[in-house]
Amino acid sequence: QLQLQESGPGLVKPSETLSLTCTVSGGSISSRSYYWGWIRQPPGKGLEWIGTIYYSGSTYYKSSLKSRVTISVDTSKNQFSLKLSSVTASDTAVYYCARRITMIRGVVSGFDTWGQGTQVTVSS
Amino acid sequence: DIQLTQSPSFLSASVGDRVTITCRASQGISSYLAWYQQKPGKAPKLLIYGASTLQSGVPSRFSGSGSGTEFTLTISSLQPEDFATYYCQQLNSLTFGPGTKVDIK
Repeated sequence: QLQLQESGPGLVKPSETLSLTCTVSGGSISSRSYYWGWIRQPPGKGLEWIGTIYYSGSTYYKSSLKSRVTISVDTSKNQFSLKLSSVTASDTAVYYCARRITMIRGVVSGFDTWGQGTQVTVSS
Repeated sequence: DIQLTQSPSFLSASVGDRVTITCRASQGISSYLAWYQQKPGKAPKLLIYGASTLQSGVPSRFSGSGSGTEFTLTISSLQPEDFATYYCQQLNSLTFGPGTKVDIK
């Protein structure tokens, strides 16, 4: 059974870089059938897609975050990572990693498997 | 960018009620829409993709319809475990709607 687990610091200082890793177990991150993504949720608010990566390294970022976001993949460790630079208090959120199947029987799918989420607080 | 709106933002209902949530896109998105359920403190759960395809393991009381700019999620008979917040997501830009909270009347 596929599982995703986020890890990283729970507290980041303003202007610094937030770094999180998602470890995939029970399946290969190198499969051509999947994309891997990061989604966040500020306290009491809705979901915000941050970006997605394919095993080949191709990346897709939310336009408003593109200048600050880097997502990378390490197939040897079955992990993918998020870096968000120049953080402010508005980046405080629960950060989720998730898997998206490219297509199911010809139908474009959503994020079908999620990590439990990790709280990141931006504060001095 | 394509924007998604959801209505209502909040819905109060009773067990057994038929519940309908609407998601509207600012431009046509064909059938590139998914619906998620999120309970407090938990990760979202994929319910529907392709606007109307039920994700494996999701109860058949959930259904989705629509294409273009207007979509609906229907729960045919609300169960106690269905009280949650529901989000739509556009599957091109991956933008989420603002959510609809379904609460107990």
